[in-house]
Amino acid sequence: KQEVTQIPAALSVPEGENLVLNCSFTDSAIYNLQWFRQDPGKGLTSLLLIQSSQREQTSGRLNASLDKSSGRSTLYIAASQPGDSATYLCAVPNNYGQNFVFGPGTRLSVLP
Amino acid sequence: EAGVAQSPRYKIIEKRQSVAFWCNPISGHATLYWYQQILGQGPKLLIQFQNNGVVDDSQLPKDRFSAERLKGVDSTLKIQPAKLEDSAVYLCASSSRGRDSYEQYFGPGTRLTVT
Repeated sequence: KQEVTQIPAALSVPEGENLVLNCSFTDSAIYNLQWFRQDPGKGLTSLLLIQSSQREQTSGRLNASLDKSSGRSTLYIAASQPGDSATYLCAVPNNYGQNFVFGPGTRLSVLP
Repeated sequence: EAGVAQSPRYKIIEKRQSVAFWCNPISGHATLYWYQQILGQGPKLLIQFQNNGVVDDSQLPKDRFSAERLKGVDSTLKIQPAKLEDSAVYLCASSSRGRDSYEQYFGPGTRLTVT
């Protein structure tokens, strides 16, 4: 059974810092890995999707990497801003694009 | 393009009552998902549809939860009867099977409170 963990559970940093969020999964037979952002009381917004054959994806100040063999993904946020404050979640489906499992999330606070 | 639509946004019911949620996915998206998100946790997949067929409902409590997706577009999720532990946000998502297969797009969710 797939299990997804995220470290740290919460993070507070001053504005301008570069930071790394971690996502680990126990079963490497995944179709892809997707990072999301969730603001309080809102739905999830897709940030980046990495296919199982890819190593990384970039969008603006965000860079996500994937190491399937070790069951790890990292989300790198450069030059953090107060507007980045949110909960960040990762999710993986199995090899058939089914049985999506989410991590518990990392709650990020960027202080002005 | 329009996003995933859900209604209602909020619902308060008493235990043992029934409730239904509605979802309209992004146009052309063949895959539709229902998730339950309890406060402080990540979403838990309840059911995944491919067109109007179920491909994964392993975590759906079938004694009280049901879902359907008629004509492969809109979907409804029903709870009957509701329990206190069903209090959560119910999220609907959809995805296509194109180049970025299974990239999920979420609706705003329905916040259910069972008293």
